[in-house]
Amino acid sequence: NAGVTQTPKFQVLKTGQSMTLQCAQDMNHEYMSWYRQDPGMGLRLIHYSVGAGITDQGEVPNGYNVSRSTTEDFPLRLLSAAPSQTSVYFCASRQVDRPEQYFGPGTRLTVT
Amino acid sequence: AQSVTQPDIHITVSEGASLELRCNYSYGATPYLFWYVQSPGQGLQLLLKYFSGDTLVQGIKGFEAEFKRSQSSFNLRKPSVHWSDAAEYFCAVGNYNQGGKLIFGQGTELSVKP
Repeated sequence: NAGVTQTPKFQVLKTGQSMTLQCAQDMNHEYMSWYRQDPGMGLRLIHYSVGAGITDQGEVPNGYNVSRSTTEDFPLRLLSAAPSQTSVYFCASRQVDRPEQYFGPGTRLTVT
Repeated sequence: AQSVTQPDIHITVSEGASLELRCNYSYGATPYLFWYVQSPGQGLQLLLKYFSGDTLVQGIKGFEAEFKRSQSSFNLRKPSVHWSDAAEYFCAVGNYNQGGKLIFGQGTELSVKP
């Protein structure tokens, strides 16, 4: 049982490039979320999903896309990277009837 | 507006001393409350949670927290700190009705002196 896994661990992009951050969980959790962590700001919700085929925006969705084709996977796409997207990105999952979330190890992204 | 405030950005305690990290929240509904810990370069680990019932909750690694509705607080405590407790601690509130959204405080960085 690996829990929540994220790839890559580190990534450097140039402004305007696109990429996908991968997230997978093997706990059969219905709910999955993406957060970004910036110094002094805690974690902020980007997008979330309550099940396969269902996604919604969080607090800071601009510049990011998500889709959820399976229960296990919830990729985050950056369409055209900007320096303001330099951050650490965490994926999380939870059961429908339990509000506590379990986090992956994070992806540290730098946009130059 | 929903928010979580951790008033202390950085705290330093001596090894073996007691610890209290403060958390205050503003939330319209009945909150579910959490404390997470993040070691350098790592993800977030759930320390403890409060849903209902006994307002003093026990967590992992010897931590406990007390929910005080009248003060809108959920402070984290440990009677004797170990050097391995040095990390960043986050308080968060959540609710079933928001698709699992957690609202986090800014975090408190804990340093432990030998």
